[in-house]
Amino acid sequence: DVKVTQSSRYLVKRTGEKVFLECVQDMDHENMFWYRQDPGLGLRLIYFSYDVKMKEKGDIPEGYSVSREKKERFSLILESASTNQTSMYLCASRPGLAEGYNEQFFGPGTRLTVL
Amino acid sequence: AQSVAQPEDQVNVAEGNPLTVKCTYSVSGNPYLFWYVQYPNRGLQFLLKYITGDNLVKGSYGFEAEFNKSQTSFHLKKPSALVSDSALYFCAVISSGSARQLTFGSGTQLTVLP
Repeated sequence: DVKVTQSSRYLVKRTGEKVFLECVQDMDHENMFWYRQDPGLGLRLIYFSYDVKMKEKGDIPEGYSVSREKKERFSLILESASTNQTSMYLCASRPGLAEGYNEQFFGPGTRLTVL
Repeated sequence: AQSVAQPEDQVNVAEGNPLTVKCTYSVSGNPYLFWYVQYPNRGLQFLLKYITGDNLVKGSYGFEAEFNKSQTSFHLKKPSALVSDSALYFCAVISSGSARQLTFGSGTQLTVLP
């Protein structure tokens, strides 16, 4: 079974802190994604990566950056956390190159609270 | 542009009754359509997808969905609901051959009453 793990289930940070969210997948998938999930808004794509050292902006990249130095690991960085970044963050991976027809595999999520 | 609408925030159904969770979509070109389920405090799990071929798609846990091109819909169905089906359901779409990524709906909370 594909396993996608996220470094923390719950995280509490203060405004202005730099926050790192880590995601690791164990199935050699090329594609990895970071979403945030908010009630009534569904999932919104922050960033994605097709391959190592490659990244693309999603729909809401402002205030975030990412890093993919190894194929299995995709990190989301909040350079200076703000209260409006309080949310559930979901990481996902997907096999194949650009094929959109493969399903994504999701991690358990990190619930981030910024005070 | 591509978009997904899940018109119902909440669906309640009695155990043993059939259930339907609605989804309509908008894409340019042919769609790839997905249903995911999220149980409390968990990530999303893939249920089923439509890529091409038969309009009725069968997936995990007895769920199925019907692709209707003329109505641009992809409703999720199950003939007999279980209490354990209670969860948050997301529909998602991507246009085939597009460089864009999946677009998710806002989600529908399904509650199956015993």
